[in-house]
Amino acid sequence: AQKVTQAQTEISVVEKEDVTLDCVYETRDTTYYLFWYKQPPSGELVFLIRRNSFDEQNEISGRYSWNFQKSTSSFNFTITASQVVDSAVYFCALSEAFNYGGSQGNLIFGKGTKLSVKP
Amino acid sequence: AAGVIQSPRHLIKEKRETATLKCYPIPRHDTVYWYQQGPGQDPQFLISFYEKMQSDKGSIPDRFSAQQFSDYHSELNMSSLELGDSALYFCASSLEQGGYTFGSGTRLTVV
Repeated sequence: AQKVTQAQTEISVVEKEDVTLDCVYETRDTTYYLFWYKQPPSGELVFLIRRNSFDEQNEISGRYSWNFQKSTSSFNFTITASQVVDSAVYFCALSEAFNYGGSQGNLIFGKGTKLSVKP
Repeated sequence: AAGVIQSPRHLIKEKRETATLKCYPIPRHDTVYWYQQGPGQDPQFLISFYEKMQSDKGSIPDRFSAQQFSDYHSELNMSSLELGDSALYFCASSLEQGGYTFGSGTRLTVV
C-alpha cells in the first residue's frame, strides 16, 4: 500500500530563517512520482515540483530546494531565507506510474505541514 | 495557458439537497480526477476517468456519482447532502505520465 508521512504538523519560523519540511513515503512500485504542493489560505493547490523515482538528483529553484533519497524513502523540501508569503500548508504526494487503463495513478497526499513565517 | 476550470467556486446547500459540480479539464488531457478536502484535512481521492471511462475509485460515498462527457468535461453529482460533505472539492487533469493540474476548487457548504 502507498503511504506518505509528513511528521511535522505545524512549523513556525521567523522571517529569513531556513526551514526543512520532511516527507517519508512508502510504495512497492519501482516506478513512481513524488510531488510537493503549496496550499495558501486562499485554498488553491499550487504545484511546486514533480520528481520521478529514477531521478535522485537534487533540485534547486530559487529559494526552494528538494532532497530526494531513495535509500531512506524521503523527499524533503527546504525553503531558504523564508518569507511571510511562504506561509501555507505544504503537501507531499505520491503517485504510481500506471494504473488500470494506462492512465496515471491518483495522488496520495500526506497530512500536510502548516508553515507559519512571522515577520 | 488554459487551466482546469471548476464551477461553481462556492456553493451553499441544505441538508438532503443535491449538488452538481463541474470540471473542465485542460484540452487534450486524457484523465480527470476528483478529490475531496475536508477542513484541516489532506485531499482524498474520490474517482478518476481515463478517456471518459471510470479508471479508479477511491473513498467516494454511494450518494455521490460522477461521469465524464463526450467533450471531456466531468460532473460530480452529490445527493442527500450531509453536513459532513462540507469540503473543498478539487478536480485535476493530466496527460498520460504527465503532471497533475488542479482547478481552483469548489467550496461546498452544507447547512
